[in-house]
Amino acid sequence: DGGITQSPKYLFRKEGQNVTLSCEQNLNHDAMYWYRQDPGQGLRLIYYSQIVNDFQKGDIAEGYSVSREKKESFPLTVTSAQKNPTAFYLCASSASSTGRNQPQHFGDGTRLSIL
Amino acid sequence: AQTVTQSQPEMSVQEAETVTLSCTYDTSESNYYLFWYKQPPSRQMILVIRQEAYKQQNATENRFSVNFQKAAKSFSLKISDSQLGDTAMYFCAFRYNYGQNFVFGPGTRLSVLP
Repeated sequence: DGGITQSPKYLFRKEGQNVTLSCEQNLNHDAMYWYRQDPGQGLRLIYYSQIVNDFQKGDIAEGYSVSREKKESFPLTVTSAQKNPTAFYLCASSASSTGRNQPQHFGDGTRLSIL
Repeated sequence: AQTVTQSQPEMSVQEAETVTLSCTYDTSESNYYLFWYKQPPSRQMILVIRQEAYKQQNATENRFSVNFQKAAKSFSLKISDSQLGDTAMYFCAFRYNYGQNFVFGPGTRLSVLP
């Protein structure tokens, strides 16, 4: 079955440490996204990528970095510069060239906490 | 910047009754797409229903239907015969015809009471 896989499900970060969240999709989607969700809040866009080797900052990119070396993969690194990283992180993908009515498909999320 | 507003942070409804969640958005574009997503306690985001702005007919998916008022920039979700499994956060989302980004509203927490 096609879908989006995020790993790990839970992640703990020590002070001053960088951590990387994995996101893999086998839907053959061009576009991929990373969102942050704080408790009881909506989704805020961190980064998105429309094609391989290209990505753009979203609304809250500071303290985060991404790469898009393969169409299927869009890992997110939470750097030590992100002072408040505790949140739920959602990865999503969508088809781009086949119609704008296509929704985003989401992974099951990664919960990141500070140790 | 485009915005999506959901004016009801929390709502509750008795099982088997009908509830309507409101969503308004701000855009100067004429071609765009609207979506409702459901996020149950498991935190998984699930697409509920979608609407193309160029279609006048309101979308329907089983117990879920929308009331799309383009001139008023309103996109409400009606849930009929509410079930306990409908308890979730509901997010309204907007996508341009030409863009890649989705803009999400802040969400409405719906509780279905037995």
